[in-house]
Amino acid sequence: AQTVTQSQPEMSVQEAETVTLSCTYDTSESDYYLFWYKQPPSRQMILVIRQEAYKQQNATENRFSVNFQKAAKSFSLKISDSQLGDAAMYFCAYGAGSYQLTFGKGTKLSVIP
Amino acid sequence: DTAVSQTPKYLVTQMGNDKSIKCEQNLGHDTMYWYKQDSKKFLKIMFSYNNKELIINETVPNRFSPKSPDKAHLNLHINSLELGDSAVYFCASSQPRGTRGETQYFGPGTRLLVL
Repeated sequence: AQTVTQSQPEMSVQEAETVTLSCTYDTSESDYYLFWYKQPPSRQMILVIRQEAYKQQNATENRFSVNFQKAAKSFSLKISDSQLGDAAMYFCAYGAGSYQLTFGKGTKLSVIP
Repeated sequence: DTAVSQTPKYLVTQMGNDKSIKCEQNLGHDTMYWYKQDSKKFLKIMFSYNNKELIINETVPNRFSPKSPDKAHLNLHINSLELGDSAVYFCASSQPRGTRGETQYFGPGTRLLVL
């Protein structure tokens, strides 16, 4: 079974600084997708960024980028120029043709003004 | 325009009652899901439906019964509610073109509290 591990239950970052959230996963598949979702206090699950495993190029979305290391099965999220609105739970998720996403346990990010 | 909507957003009820949560998506997706988020924020799949057909039924008590009247709707009925059912329930949808992990879009969640 696939597993997703987020080893940092909580992290904090100063406003305008950069922070990296870690995620590792375990799979025997070669074709799959990885996602980062954000869950602010409003509870809504918001897609931040997604990466296709067959693409070598790391995905970027404005201030959000990933470092995808397929051989190491690592998928970290970098948030640049952190803003107060970035404070949330961040979930790493894995999907590979099984009609479901497997989520990590989440990292709670605090942004210090 | 709301993409994935759920009603109600909050549900407080007594043990032993039966309740339903409704989900609708206007994205034209074929696949819909129910996830449960426990008190520790852990998200776990409960059910997946593709074109109204049940695809995934994880180890969920029989008291939980999903129903998909059409592709745009997936409702969740819970019988004989127990304290341990208290959680946030999320509906989601996706268009799995190759079933290789298409992006899932989530509803706002329903917070269920069983007293």
